[in-house]
Amino acid sequence: NAGVTQTPKFQVLKTGQSMTLQCAQDMNHEYMSWYRQDPGMGLRLIHYSVGAGITDQGEVPNGYNVSRSTTEDFPLRLLSAAPSQTSVYFCASSYDGGYSGANVLTFGAGSRLTVL
Amino acid sequence: KQEVTQIPAALSVPEGENLVLNCSFTDSAIYNLQWFRQDPGKGLTSLLLIQSSQREQTSGRLNASLDKSSGRSTLYIAASQPGDSATYLCAVTTGANSKLTFGKGITLSVRP
Repeated sequence: NAGVTQTPKFQVLKTGQSMTLQCAQDMNHEYMSWYRQDPGMGLRLIHYSVGAGITDQGEVPNGYNVSRSTTEDFPLRLLSAAPSQTSVYFCASSYDGGYSGANVLTFGAGSRLTVL
Repeated sequence: KQEVTQIPAALSVPEGENLVLNCSFTDSAIYNLQWFRQDPGKGLTSLLLIQSSQREQTSGRLNASLDKSSGRSTLYIAASQPGDSATYLCAVTTGANSKLTFGKGITLSVRP
């Protein structure tokens, strides 16, 4: 099925461990992004990419790295996990990132991360 | 900095009622506004997108309106059903590289 696929769905880490959340889309979308969702804080943008080889920081980028080597994939790396990174992470993509005004954003199902 | 507000945070209505969910934003220079639905433990599903040049969009029992000058949008749900129970979020696209700013959502409960 076409869409945004995130793996893993659940992960428990210890403080200081590193890991990568995977995101893949098969819709040939140029724009991809990562959000975290926390109770009372809403959705906050971590990093985004407007095309292969191009990434930029969002609202809360500290502690996270991204790369965009292909159009399809946009992994999110936690360098040294901290309890403050316990959250639900969503990957989302759209065709053109919004300059046309018509960028319906398609979300993945989410990855729930707990850092002990 | 764009801020998006959705009030109230939660709403409970009886089945069959027509209802309006409100969204306000501080910077009127937006590309578009989107309404999303999120079911518990799930991702977000886009319901309606209104481009900055449009005033409203309709999909089935849903109608979303946009008043850019006043920084407001409403999502109208006709003849609500228990299956409409979910959290509804609005988001606006503004600025360089068209970043989305989300409201915190309204959790709707439709009682049978």
